[in-house]
Amino acid sequence: KAGVTQTPRYLIKTRGQQVTLSCSPISGHRSVSWYQQTPGQGLQFLFEYFSETQRNKGNFPGRFSGRQFSNSRSEMNVSTLELGDSALYLCASTQQGAHGETQYFGPGTRLLVL
Amino acid sequence: AQSVAQPEDQVNVAEGNPLTVKCTYSVSGNPYLFWYVQYPNRGLQFLLKYITGDNLVKGSYGFEAEFNKSQTSFHLKKPSALVSDSALYFCAVRDIESGNTGKLIFGQGTTLQVKP
Repeated sequence: KAGVTQTPRYLIKTRGQQVTLSCSPISGHRSVSWYQQTPGQGLQFLFEYFSETQRNKGNFPGRFSGRQFSNSRSEMNVSTLELGDSALYLCASTQQGAHGETQYFGPGTRLLVL
Repeated sequence: AQSVAQPEDQVNVAEGNPLTVKCTYSVSGNPYLFWYVQYPNRGLQFLLKYITGDNLVKGSYGFEAEFNKSQTSFHLKKPSALVSDSALYFCAVRDIESGNTGKLIFGQGTTLQVKP
């Protein structure tokens, strides 16, 4: 099976712009979670989608939003970018199993805001 | 609130020696614990998890972890370190309080340096 894919891998934007990141989960996985990774704050949960519904949301401002499509692919959007939004954005899809669930991560999208 | 702590920012070990990367947790109820590894400019790779059962969990690349309920710890171990094990390691716990599967709470990460 192919792993989690994220596009684009790298992105440079300027303050005030908006950006959309895409994530395709592993085939058959219906849950997609997004995380932000920065040197200062570490890995922080953004939100999770399951069957096109947001199931949980982290403590991020409303500028951060997401959605999930019927094929389980997910996008996250950040509007009015700030310098502090520079980070590695990681997407994970969840495998459900008899021994509990496991999240598998994509390679990430590295966003630089200038 | 649930949390995970990795008390060491960096662990240095010589190749061939055993390694331990420490993790302690604080959760209400039974913990679901995970270890991930991150190589430079890469995403996180799943190593192993503890859900229930045996306290010694075996995972990928020869890693194992020991769950200790009384000490609320879940230390990652490997009997013989390789230079290629040098990476950033994260311990994580599933957020039970959020009532779903999709939120992991991560520790701050521990950089493992294995020297030849």
